[in-house]
Amino acid sequence: DAGVIQSPRHEVTEMGQEVTLRCKPISGHDYLFWYRQTMMRGLELLIYFNNNVPIDDSGMPEDRFSAKMPNASFSTLKIQPSEPRDSAVYFCASSFDTDTQYFGPGTRLTVL
Amino acid sequence: DQQVKQNSPSLSVQEGRISILNCDYTNSMFDYFLWYKKYPAEGPTFLISISSIKDKNEDGRFTVFLNKSAKHLSLHIVPSQPGDSAVYFCAASPPTGNQFYFGTGTSLTVIP
Repeated sequence: DAGVIQSPRHEVTEMGQEVTLRCKPISGHDYLFWYRQTMMRGLELLIYFNNNVPIDDSGMPEDRFSAKMPNASFSTLKIQPSEPRDSAVYFCASSFDTDTQYFGPGTRLTVL
Repeated sequence: DQQVKQNSPSLSVQEGRISILNCDYTNSMFDYFLWYKKYPAEGPTFLISISSIKDKNEDGRFTVFLNKSAKHLSLHIVPSQPGDSAVYFCAASPPTGNQFYFGTGTSLTVIP
């Protein structure tokens, strides 16, 4: 298996623009997680899905953030409008049941 | 508020010596703990785990110790190798749900 795939790997955008991050989980995994990594707070869970259904989105910072999982093999995290404080590395992870989470390589987002 | 804390942002150790990485948590309901290792430009990868019914788990050069009364866990790497240089995250999970709470990470440098 190719592992968790994320795109793009790097994104540079200007404040106010819409940003869409994409994730393809490992085939057969029924849980998908979105994390944000910052120096100050480490890895923060933003939202997670079970069988494509959002279970807990309490970590989503504000209404500018939204996530969808239209099918078992694809998820998006959207920021609209983006702000400089959203600059971070965003990771997607997947797992089978409550087993170990496997992380993608991350998307480094820079909002100017 | 951070429920999982790694108070040492960095650690340097001589090759061949022991590396000890520490992690503290605040939620006494956490019953499953993991360590992840992260190289630059890659996503975190699972290293070792321990459940609350045990106080020690060993896998090769890596041993995790859990002190439930102190709400403290540590990762020992013996002997340390230059390839162990990475950022190490500890994570904890409550018995229900599939949410992991991560620390801010400790950057380990093993000096040849």
